[in-house]
Amino acid sequence: EPEVTQTPSHQVTQMGQEVILRCVPISNHLYFYWYRQILGQKVEFLVSFYNNEISEKSEIFDDQFSVERPDGSNFTLKIRSTKLEDSAMYFCASSYGQGAFKAFFGQGTRLTVV
Amino acid sequence: DAKTTQPPSMDCAEGRAANLPCNHSTISGNEYVYWYRQIHSQGPQYIIHGLKNNETNEMASLIITEDRKSSTLILPHATLRDTAVYYCIVRVAGKAAGNKLTFGGGTRVLVKP
Repeated sequence: EPEVTQTPSHQVTQMGQEVILRCVPISNHLYFYWYRQILGQKVEFLVSFYNNEISEKSEIFDDQFSVERPDGSNFTLKIRSTKLEDSAMYFCASSYGQGAFKAFFGQGTRLTVV
Repeated sequence: DAKTTQPPSMDCAEGRAANLPCNHSTISGNEYVYWYRQIHSQGPQYIIHGLKNNETNEMASLIITEDRKSSTLILPHATLRDTAVYYCIVRVAGKAAGNKLTFGGGTRVLVKP
């Protein structure tokens, strides 16, 4: 079965540094997403991306965050000037269409800000 | 999206059917019921979805009551690998839905040998 892959699986960064989390969505999917899960808390929507632009974002997704699809296969989440509270699991997901909303999630990147 | 209510946890014996309830009494006519699960710290995994008819796939069955105010996800023969948090999510389909899934607390299912 096709899958969404994320790299790295674990990233440790110092507070104030920039990080880029990478994702390779399923190849024929058109919609891409980032979610995060702070330890012990719910999975939270960050942003969705379609047709090379953000289609929806949550209030969490402020100017510190940006997303990009630099080529035909990768989808990245950049966090500028990381804060301690950015420590979380970050999940990338993709789906073919909006209709049935069958989204496929990657295994996540655990980001630890120290 | 309509609010859902799920029990916080439940245990199930390996090999037996697991029946996971979800209450969605404010569901509207164009809202689907989706089930996802999250196995310890992994990414959520789609299980099944339905509108009003019962649905079955290789993973599970979804039973939706006639008034659509509640549903039950059935794992027919639970295995230890089914231990996970199960999320019931109600949302409209199509462009009106926007793009996000809203995850609640879910039901933590522990399958015991």
